[in-house]
Amino acid sequence: DIQMTQSPASVSASVGDRVTITCQASQGIINWLAWYQQKPGKAPKLLIYAASSLQSGVPSRFSGSGSGTDFTLTISSLQPEDFATYYCQQTSSFPLTFGGGTKVDIK
Amino acid sequence: QLQLQESGPGLMKPSETLSLICSVSGGSISSSSHYWGWIRQPPGKGLEWIGHIYHSGSTYYSPSLKSRSSISVDTSKNQFSLKLSSLTAADTAVYYCARAQGRYYFDSWGLGTLVTVSS
Repeated sequence: DIQMTQSPASVSASVGDRVTITCQASQGIINWLAWYQQKPGKAPKLLIYAASSLQSGVPSRFSGSGSGTDFTLTISSLQPEDFATYYCQQTSSFPLTFGGGTKVDIK
Repeated sequence: QLQLQESGPGLMKPSETLSLICSVSGGSISSSSHYWGWIRQPPGKGLEWIGHIYHSGSTYYSPSLKSRSSISVDTSKNQFSLKLSSLTAADTAVYYCARAQGRYYFDSWGLGTLVTVSS
C-alpha cells in the first residue's frame, strides 16, 4: 500500500495568511493526487485533482502543486470559511489511501 | 444536481452484518464516466477507502476489508450497496457513499451515516 504522510498535523493561522500543507507519498504516484476539505460534521469536498487541477466551483485561492512523491496544497489568502481539516488522497494504485489530515484553525 | 443519500441502521451488535444503501438522484448510476464508492471515517479520525463499483458490477476493495465486505449495484433502482460482515467496535464510523470521477477522485459525497457497533 502507498502511505500518504501529511504535515503539519495542525496549523494555526489568521485570516489573510498564506497557508501551505504538504503531502508525501511513500512511492512515486506521478500526479495522481487529490485534496479534500472537510468541515466538522460534513462530508469531504473535492478541491484539487490530478495534483494541480482546480475542481469546478472551488475558489482560485486554492492551488496544488507537485509530482512524484511530494505535493503541496496552498491557500493564498485564508478566509474565515477555510478553517477546516484537509486531506490528500492518492489514486495511483489500489488500495486508494488518504493522508492523516491537517487541521487549519484560528490563531 | 447529483445527490447521494446513505440509509441503514445506526446501531449494530458485534458479529452482525451491516447493510447500507446509497440512493443516487439527479444522475444515472449507469454513467460510463463514473465509479461509485464507499469511504468510512471513525469518530475523530481520518478517511478510509472501503471499495467501489462500476455499473457493470466490476468491484475494487481495500485488502484490509475485502474478506468482510461486498459492494453491489442495482441500476434499476439507481442504488448501490455495501455489506460488511463480522462487525466489531473498530467498525464504528461514519460511512459515506460517493461518486468517483476520472482517476477515482470523489467529487460528490453523501451526507454520511453514523454506524455504531456496540453490545
